[in-house]
Amino acid sequence: QQQVKQSPQSLIVQKGGISIINCAYENTAFDYFPWYQQFPGKGPALLIAIRPDVSEKKEGRFTISFNKSAKQFSLHIMDSQPGDSATYFCAASLYGQNFVFGPGTRLSVLP
Amino acid sequence: DAGITQSPRHKVTETGTPVTLRCHQTENHRYMYWYRQDPGHGLRLIHYSYGVKDTDKGEVSDGYSVSRSKTEDFLLTLESATSSQTSVYFCAIRPGQGAREQYFGPGTRLTVT
Repeated sequence: QQQVKQSPQSLIVQKGGISIINCAYENTAFDYFPWYQQFPGKGPALLIAIRPDVSEKKEGRFTISFNKSAKQFSLHIMDSQPGDSATYFCAASLYGQNFVFGPGTRLSVLP
Repeated sequence: DAGITQSPRHKVTETGTPVTLRCHQTENHRYMYWYRQDPGHGLRLIHYSYGVKDTDKGEVSDGYSVSRSKTEDFLLTLESATSSQTSVYFCAIRPGQGAREQYFGPGTRLTVT
């Protein structure tokens, strides 16, 4: 019940395109769903997060869509840029404790 | 980087030797976490702390111990390193009891030969 599934494992997008990464969770008690961006040799950096009482959250080019009934959430990167090339992790937690992470998606944005 | 430093940043050690990794934070956060990152697994929680001398186990705690004698330092010890503990280790903080987000340090790459 603690698992978070993430897909795809890798993604190649042309510059200016839309990148979409999907996650699914099992534990309906989770109350916080963040996305992290990680560049090689760096620690994960918090990108955007959502709580289950909201269906969508947008920050600049990054949007989280949340479907509580399906227990799924996704990250959309609009107008993808080469600088967005990184590994993205979704996660879920209860009260900010004991994050459960997805396995990650490696995004490559071609110039 | 939320005022988090980790040391050492890289370490190579031999099987059976003890290893201690240090996480240091400058902003007096109460909650601190140790994760390991392995390909295909994302990040997995090893141990966490909710105050000085208050710690608890995470998902993958076997073979690891932690200590927190000061608010600013959270130490992770591998009592007898094994090759399966070759990984990248990240420390994280949570800004407060009401906060949900965690912020990560730069990581320590550990290789056990």
